[in-house]
Amino acid sequence: DIVMTQSPLSLTVTPGEPASISCRSSQSLLHSNGYNYLDWYLQKPGQSPQLLIYMGSTRASGVPDRFTGSGSGTDFSLKISRVEAEDVGVYYCMQALYTPIITFGPGTKVDIK
Amino acid sequence: EVQLVESGGGLVKPGGSLRLSCAASGFTFSDAWMSWVRQAPGKGLEWVGHIKSKINGGTTDYDAPVRGRFTISRDDSKNTLYLHMNHLKIEDTAVYYCTTRWWELPYWGQGTLVTVSS
Repeated sequence: DIVMTQSPLSLTVTPGEPASISCRSSQSLLHSNGYNYLDWYLQKPGQSPQLLIYMGSTRASGVPDRFTGSGSGTDFSLKISRVEAEDVGVYYCMQALYTPIITFGPGTKVDIK
Repeated sequence: EVQLVESGGGLVKPGGSLRLSCAASGFTFSDAWMSWVRQAPGKGLEWVGHIKSKINGGTTDYDAPVRGRFTISRDDSKNTLYLHMNHLKIEDTAVYYCTTRWWELPYWGQGTLVTVSS
């Protein structure tokens, strides 16, 4: 079974400051087509998860460019260049290489100072 | 535009049954592999199970906690995915989402709440 881990599990950030979340997979998420099958989601309080990044680094439609996904293989990160108040919530990484079985990280809760 | 709309959630007693539906549009449903994901109150996201397209065998697989109790099916003529839940337990209380990946882009519905309580 694929195990996804995230760090930190909790993060408090000052508005305007950067933030970074790490996601690790127990097995490589790099497909032979050269793409990493790793997605990032943000679940705002009381809402369903919204897609931020897919295929490791492709920003979803309408996602601000302050969100950047990077990494390959087993190590990935999500960076927010300047955190805004609306960015609070829980961030999840999700592997989709071993589809149809999909696996999620435990989530990283982001709060604003 | 791809849309997934879940329905059928509600309050059910332990040991009871419920059927969730997911109406799909905006893509070729019959070619899509579909999944159900759930989220218990205050918890993370958990894969429930999936169903492949009929051309790929239409087979299903389930996560261990629901195997033998839940059944996923699809009606390609109605562009609808189903989750049949039997012998429900209190720990099955969650928001249930249907999801798919179409041209490498993931899509999710808004979810439907299932509450198992006496």
